[in-house]
Amino acid sequence: EPEVTQTPSHQVTQMGQEVILRCVPISNHLYFYWYRQILGQKVEFLVSFYNNEISEKSEIFDDQFSVERPDGSNFTLKIRSTKLEDSAMYFCASEEDRVYEQYFGPGTRLTVT
Amino acid sequence: RKEVEQDPGPFNVPEGATVAFNCTYSNSASQSFFWYRQDCRKEPKLLMSVYSSGNEDGRFTAQLNRASQYISLLIRDSKLSDSATYLCVVKGNQGGKLIFGQGTELSVKP
Repeated sequence: EPEVTQTPSHQVTQMGQEVILRCVPISNHLYFYWYRQILGQKVEFLVSFYNNEISEKSEIFDDQFSVERPDGSNFTLKIRSTKLEDSAMYFCASEEDRVYEQYFGPGTRLTVT
Repeated sequence: RKEVEQDPGPFNVPEGATVAFNCTYSNSASQSFFWYRQDCRKEPKLLMSVYSSGNEDGRFTAQLNRASQYISLLIRDSKLSDSATYLCVVKGNQGGKLIFGQGTELSVKP
């Protein structure tokens, strides 16, 4: 069964450093998402991406964040200068079409020290 | 009012019990509704989509009441493996992003 994959599974970084989180969505899916979940809190939408451009972003997704689909398979989330409050699980999701279900990757646990 | 609101939980039930989760959503224009389950520190996994006519998948039954903006999930004959957090999820009125409830934790005991 096709699945969304994410790397790394855990990333530890120092405050102010740049991190890149990577995702490989399901191959025939067209819509891609990043969500985050701070420990003990609900899952929150960050950004959606379609046809090589951002289609929607939340208030959380400020200038420190960027997304890219550098090739036909990878989908990345970059945080330019990490803050302590960026510590969270980051989930990538993809869907075949906007009316369908979204499938989530296993997540990257980001720890900012 | 929260966009998606769920029973706070946790629910502690014995094996074999029937348990019901409730959820309300604030945006009447929402189009799609789902239940996901999430195990501790893992990704949300789709349990089932929720349709206006109601739908059933084995021991799981989901209902949607658009007039009341209310979604429910019923689990019959609960198993130890059903222990998880159940997430009520609504897709925004323009499609795309998912809006999650806080989740209701279920613990099924022997």
